[in-house]
Amino acid sequence: DQQVKQNSPSLSVQEGRISILNCDYTNSMFDYFLWYKKYPAEGPTFLISISSIKDKNEDGRFTVFLNKSAKHLSLHIVPSQPGDSAVYFCAASGGGSGNTPLVFGKGTRLSVIA
Amino acid sequence: NAGVMQNPRHLVRRRGQEARLRCSPMKGHSHVYWYRQLPEEGLKFMVYLQKENIIDESGMPKERFSAEFPKEGPSILRIQQVVRGDSAAYFCASSPLLVIGNKNTEAFFGQGTRLTVV
Repeated sequence: DQQVKQNSPSLSVQEGRISILNCDYTNSMFDYFLWYKKYPAEGPTFLISISSIKDKNEDGRFTVFLNKSAKHLSLHIVPSQPGDSAVYFCAASGGGSGNTPLVFGKGTRLSVIA
Repeated sequence: NAGVMQNPRHLVRRRGQEARLRCSPMKGHSHVYWYRQLPEEGLKFMVYLQKENIIDESGMPKERFSAEFPKEGPSILRIQQVVRGDSAAYFCASSPLLVIGNKNTEAFFGQGTRLTVV
């Protein structure tokens, strides 16, 4: 039973355009959401996060939007650059006290074409 | 400040052997998480440990797998009698103690150990 779903396994975008990566979750107890970026043969690196008390968080070219009623979040990258080509994982946690393990989606492979 | 260190980076074992994967968390981090990534899959949570305690092992197979995080030294993920299906990338992540006013924090990942069972 997947609690965090990334339904698009891959996405191709032209350099300079906007990349939109989507993520859905089923557990209404999740209250903290993160995006990680992963290059081949490396560990995931943290990109951006959002708490459930917000609906938007922006950091440079990266913006995460959260729609709690739809249990949906998205990551926008604008403008997209070739170096953004990687696998992006959506993750969620929450529902208990203390640090709670992150639950990850299967990832979306982004290819930015020059 | 060194990041999360995992070793070995690559490990080859024959079926039936034991695999030991090590993870040294970032300095000051006392929470360690192990994840497994199978080919074409996402990261699946296995176990969450604090020093000398297993907090949540709900994602770890009941047999052959064990994990520890001793008072001194790295966290160890141990797989006994490995089978081909254990071949995967195993990632360790660490995070600090709770930050006041912020229940959750991001975890920092190591580069992973790629286990191949032949």
